[in-house]
Amino acid sequence: DQQVKQNSPSLSVQEGRISILNCDYTNSMFDYFLWYKKYPAEGPTFLISISSIKDKNEDGRFTVFLNKSAKHLSLHIVPSQPGDSAVYFCAASAGGTSYGKLTFGQGTILTVHP
Amino acid sequence: KAGVTQTPRYLIKTRGQQVTLSCSPISGHRSVSWYQQTPGQGLQFLFEYFSETQRNKGNFPGRFSGRQFSNSRSEMNVSTLELGDSALYLCASSLGTTLTDTQYFGPGTRLTVL
Repeated sequence: DQQVKQNSPSLSVQEGRISILNCDYTNSMFDYFLWYKKYPAEGPTFLISISSIKDKNEDGRFTVFLNKSAKHLSLHIVPSQPGDSAVYFCAASAGGTSYGKLTFGQGTILTVHP
Repeated sequence: KAGVTQTPRYLIKTRGQQVTLSCSPISGHRSVSWYQQTPGQGLQFLFEYFSETQRNKGNFPGRFSGRQFSNSRSEMNVSTLELGDSALYLCASSLGTTLTDTQYFGPGTRLTVL
C-alpha cells in the first residue's frame, strides 16, 4: 500500500521557468512533510519541510504547498536552474516526532534544460 | 566538517551469505538511521538509533539487524542474503531524533546479491 505517491516519474523544464513537483498521500494521520533532493552517487539532501498546521513554507527558490483536504503537497522551484536536475523525494510523518516514522514517495526525476 | 561516511561503497555477495555495513555519522551527531532504496519500493526505513539504543524499527524481517556504538558509529547486518536484498543502503545522521533536526545522508552502500 503506497501511502505516499509521486505520480510523475519525471519532469522536464526549461531553465528559468517554474518546476512543480507533486506528491499525494492517503494517510490522514500524516502531519509533517519533507522534500529531499538526490544527485547520482550521493545520498538525499534535505530541502524543505512543512507542518500540517501550515499551508505554505518558503525557503529561497523553494516553496512547499500543502492542501490537507486534497491530501496533496507540491514543491515549486522558481526559477529552475540546471543544477536543480536531480531526483526529488517527498516524505511524510504520521504523528511521531522522529525520523523513524517517515514514509517516502518513489521520487520524481527533474531535468532542467539550459 | 566531514560528512556521513559509509563503508564499503560497493559490495557483491551471494545468496545465503551475510553482510555488515558500516556508517560513521557527522561528528557530534548522536542519531543514526538506516534506509533501503530499491527501484520497486523506493526509500524504506530500516532502523533508528540514538545513544546506542534502537528507537524505531521498520517493517523488515529479523534477518536485518543493527547496532550503534558509544562513539555513535553504527553497523547494520543482513544475514542469509536473498536476491531481493540487492539495494542501496543509506545511512543518515542528525544531532537529535526529532524531525526538526536536519538529517544528513551518506552516499550509501550498493549491495548486489547474486
